[in-house]
Amino acid sequence: GAVVSQHPSWVICKSGTSVKIECRSLDFQATTMFWYRQFPKQSLMLMATSNEGSKATYEQGVEKDKFLINHASLTLSTLTVTSAHPEDSSFYICSARPAVMGRGNEKLFFGSGTQLSVL
Amino acid sequence: AQKITQTQPGMFVQEKEAVTLDCTYDTSDQSYGLFWYKQPSSGEMIFLIYQGSYDEQNATEGRYSLNFQKARKSANLVISASQLGDSAMYFCAMREGYSSASKIIFGSGTRLSIRP
Repeated sequence: GAVVSQHPSWVICKSGTSVKIECRSLDFQATTMFWYRQFPKQSLMLMATSNEGSKATYEQGVEKDKFLINHASLTLSTLTVTSAHPEDSSFYICSARPAVMGRGNEKLFFGSGTQLSVL
Repeated sequence: AQKITQTQPGMFVQEKEAVTLDCTYDTSDQSYGLFWYKQPSSGEMIFLIYQGSYDEQNATEGRYSLNFQKARKSANLVISASQLGDSAMYFCAMREGYSSASKIIFGSGTRLSIRP
């Protein structure tokens, strides 16, 4: 089945530093990838839609300068948390869907997530 | 307004019993998709089942079935013969529209605990 690889799985950083999270679709092309954030015991909140070759679309309330998204190729999207602060600590999870919609391709494939802890 | 509503924060079920997890949705689109995902404590998101808005039959995947009541806008997940390994968070989700860029939004989830 389709696989989405996300790295790193966890990261601890000091306040004020930037952290980059990578999301790769390993066996399919994805023109669109999605970034979600999840606080403990809560649901997945969509942060932004990453579009290959163009700017990301951010959900209301998400700071685009804080959470930089780059979708440089059909298989790679990155999320950079800039000048991270303790309140940015969370579980970040990416997802992707094959570019060609069709029967069997409706679902999102998820990465394994990144637990970010900012000290 | 909530697009996806899961009214059961937590449920306890005896092993081998069937369980129904509730989900209602709100959309004005004619074309949409409904999903159920399972999230164990490891955090990974496991796809369980999908129902398209135009699908006439209820979706089934092994022990999982989706009770799709279009007029009532409900998409309940039924797990038959529950197992200890079914203990996890379960999220109902919806995609509005039908393109690769259509985003998927999630309900608040139901924590299912299976008792031995």
